[in-house]
Amino acid sequence: GENVEQHPSTLSVQEGDSAVIKCTYSDSASNYFPWYKQELGKRPQLIIDIRSNVGEKKDQRIAVTLNKTAKHFSLHITETQPEDSAVYFCAATPGAQKLVFGQGTRLTINP
Amino acid sequence: ETGVTQSPTHLIKTRGQQVTLRCSSQSGHNTVSWYQQALGQGPQFIFQYYREEENGRGNFPPRFSGLQFPNYSSELNVNALELDDSALYLCASSLNREETQYFGPGTRLLVL
Repeated sequence: GENVEQHPSTLSVQEGDSAVIKCTYSDSASNYFPWYKQELGKRPQLIIDIRSNVGEKKDQRIAVTLNKTAKHFSLHITETQPEDSAVYFCAATPGAQKLVFGQGTRLTINP
Repeated sequence: ETGVTQSPTHLIKTRGQQVTLRCSSQSGHNTVSWYQQALGQGPQFIFQYYREEENGRGNFPPRFSGLQFPNYSSELNVNALELDDSALYLCASSLNREETQYFGPGTRLLVL
């Protein structure tokens, strides 16, 4: 089955700088890669997703890149703000059914 | 916020008891997936229901069972509770089986 590795487990950046979180997956059949943001005590919130027919997708300060050959995808957050502080999870799945999540990255934005 | 709701928000049970958790899917969504999130971990897939039928199951024992109703709301039942079942239980609804999943707020279960 699918296995997703996520790095780093913690990330601390200065406000205004960029943050990058990387994930690798094992199942070449996976074709859907969402990213979720989870604030303390709250539900995971979808922030961006990408399907395997696309190499890059951007939404304002957030972008995701996908390299199917290397089986890795990354989340890029530019111009970070204090409200970006949260735990971020990547996931992978063939067909958007059974989401397999990474272990999470705790992102802290320092003012 | 999504239109996915869950009840109850918190629950305390003792080992060996049974529990039922409920999820109301977003309007127009016919698919509900259930996940278990232990503290400090990513969510783990339990099972998915599509149009009242189970459509895939993760690596969880049979004492975890579910149901989906004609209005597409869903229940998760756990029998013979164990201490390790203490976790946040999340449901996610999607427009269809292969569409984006939107999570509810979760039910925090504590087993003593």
